Amino acid sequence: DTAVSQTPKYLVTQMGNDKSIKCEQNLGHDTMYWYKQDSKKFLKIMFSYNNKELIINETVPNRFSPKSPDKAHLNLHINSLELGDSAVYFCASSQARSLPYEQYFGPGTRLTVT
Amino acid sequence: AQTVTQSQPEMSVQEAETVTLSCTYDTSESNYYLFWYKQPPSRQMILVIRQEAYKQQNATENRFSVNFQKAAKSFSLKISDSQLGDTAMYFCAFAWGSSGDKLTFGTGTRLAVRP
Repeated sequence: DTAVSQTPKYLVTQMGNDKSIKCEQNLGHDTMYWYKQDSKKFLKIMFSYNNKELIINETVPNRFSPKSPDKAHLNLHINSLELGDSAVYFCASSQARSLPYEQYFGPGTRLTVT
Repeated sequence: AQTVTQSQPEMSVQEAETVTLSCTYDTSESNYYLFWYKQPPSRQMILVIRQEAYKQQNATENRFSVNFQKAAKSFSLKISDSQLGDTAMYFCAFAWGSSGDKLTFGTGTRLAVRP
């Protein structure tokens, strides 16, 4: 039983294209996140949604648009892909305001823009 | 702003020996949580251990333990009886506040366990 799943796991595309990454969690959590891990392995939060409501948006270009159709899903759509968007994108979930605030991560999506 | 610093980019340890990974953080918050995550070559992020700042007792999970020094803002991870499967990137992370949202990560330490 996969707790947090992401599709696809690998995505290779050309500059200028539009792509989406999907995330689903079956843990019953109310908060979901997108993190970006760059080539130096540095992880940084991009977005956070709580019960379908955007609560964190960390200086991410407008080309990135998260969408949460329900609290079990958080998708990431990227317009006009650039070389610098190449990275591993992780989805995570947690139960907000509930100790100990552990976040469960998906397997990551490696995006390569050529 | 909260920051997390891992000063050891890479470390190496012989199998069965003990290794300590360092982490320091900076915050003005009093209610916060600290974590160590492991990322093996499979890329999966795995929670190794957590520590609530209000707890004085150091957390322990089997071969993994922390040395939490709140006044010094230090949170090191000790791995005892290192195993080949411990080879991975280790990230120290910080979360704070009543919601605990948003993990702030350190830059990671790459640990290699030698046979």
